[in-house]
Amino acid sequence: KAGVTQTPRYLIKTRGQQVTLSCSPISGHRSVSWYQQTPGQGLQFLFEYFSETQRNKGNFPGRFSGRQFSNSRSEMNVSTLELGDSALYLCASSPGPLTGVVEQYFGPGTRLTVT
Amino acid sequence: DQQVKQNSPSLSVQEGRISILNCDYTNSMFDYFLWYKKYPAEGPTFLISISSIKDKNEDGRFTVFLNKSAKHLSLHIVPSQPGDSAVYFCAAVTGGYQKVTFGTGTKLQVIP
Repeated sequence: KAGVTQTPRYLIKTRGQQVTLSCSPISGHRSVSWYQQTPGQGLQFLFEYFSETQRNKGNFPGRFSGRQFSNSRSEMNVSTLELGDSALYLCASSPGPLTGVVEQYFGPGTRLTVT
Repeated sequence: DQQVKQNSPSLSVQEGRISILNCDYTNSMFDYFLWYKKYPAEGPTFLISISSIKDKNEDGRFTVFLNKSAKHLSLHIVPSQPGDSAVYFCAAVTGGYQKVTFGTGTKLQVIP
């Protein structure tokens, strides 16, 4: 099976702009989660989608949003970019609830730099 | 509110010896605990997990121990190999697996 893919891998944006990141989960996986990784902060949970519904959201401002499509692919959007949004954004997929599978499978991430 | 903490940002171990990575948590409602390994420029890779109803789980060179009374878990790697050099994250899951809380990571260096 192909792994989780994320596009683009690298992105440079200017303050005030908006950005959309894309994630394709492993085939058959219906749950997609997004995380932000910054030095010293570990992985901060952004949100999780299952069957096109956002089931949980982390403590991030409303500038961060996401969605999931019927084929389980997901996008996240960050509007009005700030310098502090510079980070590695990771997408992870899993089969979903009630499958007995707890672990998530991560993509390589999108490195976003805001200047 | 850091519910999952890894208090050691780095650890150095000689090849062949045991590596012990530690993690503390505050939320007694966590159902599962997991360890992930991350190399630079890659996403984290799942290593091993343990249910909150167990106190030990073993997979090859990796063993995770859970002490619920102390709200502490540890990952033992025996024997340590240079390829184990990476950042290790512990994570905890609750609420029907809707949300995963990660620690800040421990960078392990295995010296040949």
